[in-house]
Amino acid sequence: EAQVTQNPRYLITVTGKKLTVTCSQNMNHEYMSWYRQDPGLGLRQIYYSMNVEVTDKGDVPEGYKVSRKEKRNFPLILESPSPNQTSLYFCASAPGGYYGYTFGSGTRLTVV
Amino acid sequence: QQPVQSPQAVILREGEDAVINCSSSKALYSVHWYRQKHGEAPVFLMILLKGGEQKGHDKISASFNEKKQQSSLYLTASQLSYSGTYFCGTESGGSYSSASKIIFGSGTRLSIRP
Repeated sequence: EAQVTQNPRYLITVTGKKLTVTCSQNMNHEYMSWYRQDPGLGLRQIYYSMNVEVTDKGDVPEGYKVSRKEKRNFPLILESPSPNQTSLYFCASAPGGYYGYTFGSGTRLTVV
Repeated sequence: QQPVQSPQAVILREGEDAVINCSSSKALYSVHWYRQKHGEAPVFLMILLKGGEQKGHDKISASFNEKKQQSSLYLTASQLSYSGTYFCGTESGGSYSSASKIIFGSGTRLSIRP
């Protein structure tokens, strides 16, 4: 089944403890992206990647890191999480050309 | 700059029509539309490219007027399954792919009542 898989689905952590949210797609898509969703603010792009080793900042990149060492994987790294990073996170992928994103199921992160 | 969606919320009875608007302050190359049901991931509906095209499938269609930097989503004879939050996503770069720097609006919540 074609899909974007995120793990974990739910995560509660403490301020300052490094964490990684994994994202993997099995559709051989070139493009991958991370969004965070907060009430009233919609989906805000954190980082996106156009191919292996090619990444760029979205609108809210502060406090996040990404890497794209393999085409299928695009992990999101929070090196020192803070409570304002409590949010619902979505990973998404798309082929090149003019196609929409396929979203993962989301990761609900709580930082206390 | 985040595109502005209107209305923020709308309540319809089954069978009624709705229009959701998306407006940007920047010149647009493409507009995406997605629907998100409560507790689920957004699902892609359609993409419209620069050129003023109109698209649709089933009873959901959309238009894109790049001169006005606006897009509208039309839902006709609404069904209960249309309930959810609708997001437009805009892309201004005109790059090879529109799946790069997509900026989403804050969403329009659509509720359909029997």
